This record gives sequence, C-alpha cells and structure tokens, in this order.
Amino acid sequence: DGGITQSPKYLFRKEGQNVTLSCEQNLNHDAMYWYRQDPGQGLRLIYYSQIVNDFQKGDIAEGYSVSREKKESFPLTVTSAQKNPTAFYLCASSVDSSRRTGELFFGEGSRLTVL
Amino acid sequence: AQSVTQLGSHVSVSEGALVLLRCNYSSSVPPYLFWYVQYPNQGLQLLLKYTSAATLVKGINGFEAEFKKSETSFHLTKPSAHMSDAAEYFCAVSVSGNQGGKLIFGQGTELSVKP
Repeated sequence: DGGITQSPKYLFRKEGQNVTLSCEQNLNHDAMYWYRQDPGQGLRLIYYSQIVNDFQKGDIAEGYSVSREKKESFPLTVTSAQKNPTAFYLCASSVDSSRRTGELFFGEGSRLTVL
Repeated sequence: AQSVTQLGSHVSVSEGALVLLRCNYSSSVPPYLFWYVQYPNQGLQLLLKYTSAATLVKGINGFEAEFKKSETSFHLTKPSAHMSDAAEYFCAVSVSGNQGGKLIFGQGTELSVKP
C-alpha cells in the first residue's frame, strides 16, 4: 500500500541531545513537509521541500534541520537548540507543490518527549 | 495573507444530533479550503476540500461543508453524529503564491459524542 511512514512513533530524549525523526513516502510525491502539533495550537510548519536537494524554512524552523537527498525521504533533526522540543511531529507529502488545490497526505506522527 | 479561525475548541453533541463545526477564513485570493480529521495519536485524514467548483462539498463519513463567500465561512456539518465521529477536526486554507502548496491550519476543534 502507498503511504507515508514515520518512525519512531514514540521517542524519549534527554536535554541536550539531538534526535532524528524519519519520514519515508512511496507515493512518488514531489513535495514533503514537517509540521509540529501542540495542544490547542493546531499545526505549525517547520520545513518543506518542493523537490530533491531543496528545502525551505517554515514558520518555526529554529532549532530544527532537514535534508532531502532522495525523493522518498525527508528526515527531521531536532537539535539541542530547540528550546521546547516536546511535541507531536507530523510528516506530510503532496503530489505537486505548485498546485494549491492539492491535498496533503499525512503520516501517523512521531511523539517526542524530552526528559 | 491567508488564515483560518475555528470557533470553539471543543464541541459536544449527543449521538444522533446534528454536528456543526465552524470555520471562518481570511484570504486575499480565491481560497482553497480543506477539512481534516485526526483520531488520537494518529495523522490527519482528508474529509473534504473546496477548490472553487460546487459550493456544497460532500466528503467521507457523511460530512459536508458549504463555502459561503459572503460570510467567509466553510462550516462542516453532519446530520447525525455517531460515536465514531469523536475526534479532532482541522480547517485549513491553501497558501497563495509560490510557497510549495503549504496549508495554514486552524487551531482545531475537538468533537465529543455522548451516548
């Protein structure tokens, strides 16, 4: 089945440690996105990528980094510079980033807890 | 710039009652609007979308939404609530310009269904 796979589903981290969240899609979509979800705040965009080897900052990119070396993969690293990293992280993709009418397809999310 | 506002962070209805979740948008260009549903600890799933065709949009699970330009609204309704409808619902608007098909999400409305 086609879809988006995020791993791990749950992750615990000590303060000061970097952690990388995996996102893989087999939908052959060009665009991929990372959103952060906090209770009562909806979803906020961290980074997005319209094409391989290119990505742009979203609204809350500070303390995060990404790479897009392959079309199907868009990993997110939460660095020690992120002041409040405990959150639910959602990866998404869309067929063509130039189409405003295109829907986003979401993975099942990764819940990061900093101890 | 685009934005969405969901009125009411929590809505409670009885099983069999009408479901009405409110969403108002702000957009400097003709908007493309979406409703997504999220079950606990899962990703988001598209319920329906408005892309400037029919103003009454039918989605999955018996939900529908009506685009009203004069009221800048895109409220989500379902005639008869079912226990399985309990979830969080997000309204979103597509960003204009060359910004990679980004969506801006509302704060979310949690729907509870009482037996």
